[in-house]
Amino acid sequence: GQQVMQIPQYQHVQEGEDFTTYCNSSTTLSNIQWYKQRPGGHPVFLIQLVKSGEVKKQKRLTFQFGEAKKNSSLHITATQTTDVGTYFCAGRNGGSNYKLTFGKGTLLTVNP
Amino acid sequence: DAGVIQSPRHEVTEMGQEVTLRCKPISGHDYLFWYRQTMMRGLELLIYFNNNVPIDDSGMPEDRFSAKMPNASFSTLKIQPSEPRDSAVYFCASSEQRRNSPLHFGNGTRLTVT
Repeated sequence: GQQVMQIPQYQHVQEGEDFTTYCNSSTTLSNIQWYKQRPGGHPVFLIQLVKSGEVKKQKRLTFQFGEAKKNSSLHITATQTTDVGTYFCAGRNGGSNYKLTFGKGTLLTVNP
Repeated sequence: DAGVIQSPRHEVTEMGQEVTLRCKPISGHDYLFWYRQTMMRGLELLIYFNNNVPIDDSGMPEDRFSAKMPNASFSTLKIQPSEPRDSAVYFCASSEQRRNSPLHFGNGTRLTVT
């Protein structure tokens, strides 16, 4: 079945440093979504990418979808303590199945 | 919009007991998902429903797990009998009918089986 791999598993940075997490799928995706889960919380939707090569920005966050629609990345510029949490990518294949497969996430901790 | 509502928030039970987790999706959402989250396995999709009908239950671990959605506003996930390895956080999520619609997660139920 579809697998979504995410690296790194953990990332600790000093406040102000940049952060990037990478997501790779074993199959071509119809779209990819990104979620953030604060410690003790639930996943919260951040953004969705649909088009090959798409790049979207949300303030300090930049999301990219690969040309082959099999990989994606999330980059945070100048991290802040409020960025702490686990970032998940989740991919969906084409076709009729609505199943959304999550990567295992990257836990980001920020040292003030 | 009250969001997805799950109950209970925490459940502690002994091995062998029946556990029932409950979920109320966002009104108007046609899809409902049950996920299980553990440190080792991450977020695993157990089952999802479309218009109250189970579509994909390939993630349900074994026969001890069952899920129902008797109407558009209520779903249950039942474990009978429960085992210690079932300990996890169980999330319910719902989404609209549009294919690229995001998932809205509930606060989850933290299950501990001793």
